[in-house]
Amino acid sequence: DTEVTQTPKHLVMGMTNKKSLKCEQHMGHRAMYWYKQKAKKPPELMFVYSYEKLSINESVPSRFSPECPNSSLLNLHLHALQPEDSALYLCASSQVQGAANEKLFFGSGTQLSVL
Amino acid sequence: DAKTTQPNSMESNEEEPVHLPCNHSTISGTDYIHWYRQLPSQGPEYVIHGLTSNVNNRMASLAIAEDRKSSTLILHRATLRDAAVYYCTPGSGGSNYKLTFGKGTLLTVNP
Repeated sequence: DTEVTQTPKHLVMGMTNKKSLKCEQHMGHRAMYWYKQKAKKPPELMFVYSYEKLSINESVPSRFSPECPNSSLLNLHLHALQPEDSALYLCASSQVQGAANEKLFFGSGTQLSVL
Repeated sequence: DAKTTQPNSMESNEEEPVHLPCNHSTISGTDYIHWYRQLPSQGPEYVIHGLTSNVNNRMASLAIAEDRKSSTLILHRATLRDAAVYYCTPGSGGSNYKLTFGKGTLLTVNP
């Protein structure tokens, strides 16, 4: 199984809502990532978890709150988002974080619209 | 971080070879060169990576210049399913290493 599964595939939320994005992998990978991708732009890294600990936070606003409850799961909690946060949110995993020849496996993403 | 330069777009015909160039003149000696592609409505997908020698896998070949300042991803026979944005990115490793994407090349494959 080389899949990274993201749910939901689409999400519409208001600016006062609280929602969560979920990501799951069963490849035994110990590094997991959140990327954000605006339309017609490359993905931008948001967070990296290594062995369930937050390793990199790319100065992401606090309205995005990541969580890694175990080595297979990664969540992104959303609260008080702005319309400009509308984007495709991609989850990825790799065996470990920090190896120069590491391969990342990406999910298909959650398309988020903030109204 | 090493910067990469790729053409914004390229076009190919089905069943013909495609050579996608990438310039990475500031790459360090220990950086790997990674290629990913992103099909429409999908997340990025790993294609290939290499350090110094040319590399082949079932998806593509990677030709790395002797001075490592550039590389070329080769799709031997393009199919319509190869239409995607192709990203070239250096990988340096280390505890702060993060895979980042440049603008990439949009490949169009004509039937």
